Amino acid sequence: DVVMTQTPVSLSVSLGGQTSISCRSSQSLVHSDGNTYLYWYLQKPGQSPQLLIYKVSNRFSGVPDRFSGSGSGTDFTLKISRVEPEDLGVYYCYQGTHYPPTFGGGTKLELK
Amino acid sequence: QVQLQQSGAELVKPGSSVKMSCKASGYTFTSYYIYWIKQRPGQGLEWIGRIGPGSGDTNYNEKFKGKATFTVDKSSSTAYMQLSSLTPEDTAVYYCARERVYWGQGVMVTVSS
Repeated sequence: DVVMTQTPVSLSVSLGGQTSISCRSSQSLVHSDGNTYLYWYLQKPGQSPQLLIYKVSNRFSGVPDRFSGSGSGTDFTLKISRVEPEDLGVYYCYQGTHYPPTFGGGTKLELK
Repeated sequence: QVQLQQSGAELVKPGSSVKMSCKASGYTFTSYYIYWIKQRPGQGLEWIGRIGPGSGDTNYNEKFKGKATFTVDKSSSTAYMQLSSLTPEDTAVYYCARERVYWGQGVMVTVSS
């Protein structure tokens, strides 16, 4: 299985600040169809994960432009600018290129 | 709007089975796969597998073959997952999702004697 390694495991950030989360895969996530099926989710406390970013850099409907995704191949980053209280929770990356799909271990975003 | 409504929490005994439901609304049920995902308490996420409601095709993560069984009822737009031979390691929240996008609220399954 493809191993998704997220760093850091936890982050402290000030409201209004900026931060980033790294996600590295053990294999390239470029699919034979040319797409890269790398997704980012946020799981708020007590809630289901919610989709933020799909296929590396596309914001899902309703996701603020404070969230941006980038990367290629095996190396990906989620950047969050102007952090707000509702951004707190655990962030997961997910790959859907290789079977079975796998998730990163998660990065917990907390307030400083 | 797309909604996935899952059944309620379950407390079950080791060695038994449990069947949970995921009722879809707000879209054409047969047009999208239903994924099932496991989250153990305080831990990360594991993809169990998927079912295509239109075709009934299933794909299981090798790790969950023999543990999970997916079915659907197209007449009620409901997907089901049965877990068998339960052990304490099966204690988790189980989510259904419409492919990678919309998730249900999860079902807490507790396996305890």
